[in-house]
Amino acid sequence: QVQLQESGPGLVKPSETLSLTCTVSGVSIRSFYWGWIRQPAGKGLEWIGSIYASGNTKYNPSLKTRVTMSVDTSMNHFSLKLDSVTAADTAVYFCARLWYNYGGAWWFGPWGQGTLVTVSS
Amino acid sequence: SSALTQDPAVSVALGQTVRITCQGDSLINYLANWYQQKPGQAPVVVIYGASNRHSGIPDRFSGSSSGDTASLTITGAQAEDEADYYCDSRDSSGDHVFGSGTKVTVL
Repeated sequence: QVQLQESGPGLVKPSETLSLTCTVSGVSIRSFYWGWIRQPAGKGLEWIGSIYASGNTKYNPSLKTRVTMSVDTSMNHFSLKLDSVTAADTAVYFCARLWYNYGGAWWFGPWGQGTLVTVSS
Repeated sequence: SSALTQDPAVSVALGQTVRITCQGDSLINYLANWYQQKPGQAPVVVIYGASNRHSGIPDRFSGSSSGDTASLTITGAQAEDEADYYCDSRDSSGDHVFGSGTKVTVL
């Protein structure tokens, strides 16, 4: 059974860098795609970016200048860094596996439980 | 990236049928997925690739797509189906976009 668990500081100061890690269990992180999604309180889901095990990345254009994602296959985890955070970056951050099939579908699942990151001084 | 539009909220009587729609230009060429999210929980994929029910999802959930609109139908809604539902798809840039979400209330 594949499980994902987000970890990282729950409080980040404005203008600093948010750093989160998603630890994967039950499957090797190699040869698969992975993603980060966030959700501000009471609001909808926002795709942050996706990464392949090789390190190839795709970022949301609205966050592209501030986002860096990476993979550590030896630790079986992948990471998110978001620079220059503001209060608008306060949200629950989810990691998820990204599936695709030959029919052209791409979907996220399973998801980690999510971790709340608050940006505040 | 392209936007996906959903109705903010719908209600359905227990045991009745409800259809949720998701509209966007990207859906003409790319397949929609549907996620169910209950309060305080992570989303769970219900339908992927427009019409494929994910493992373990009851068969009262079904998906379809026509043109720029994807639909999720719950036939015989149960109390446990009360949740927020989000659609998503990839767009022509390879970016992922989520719909704004629909809150389903079972009366």
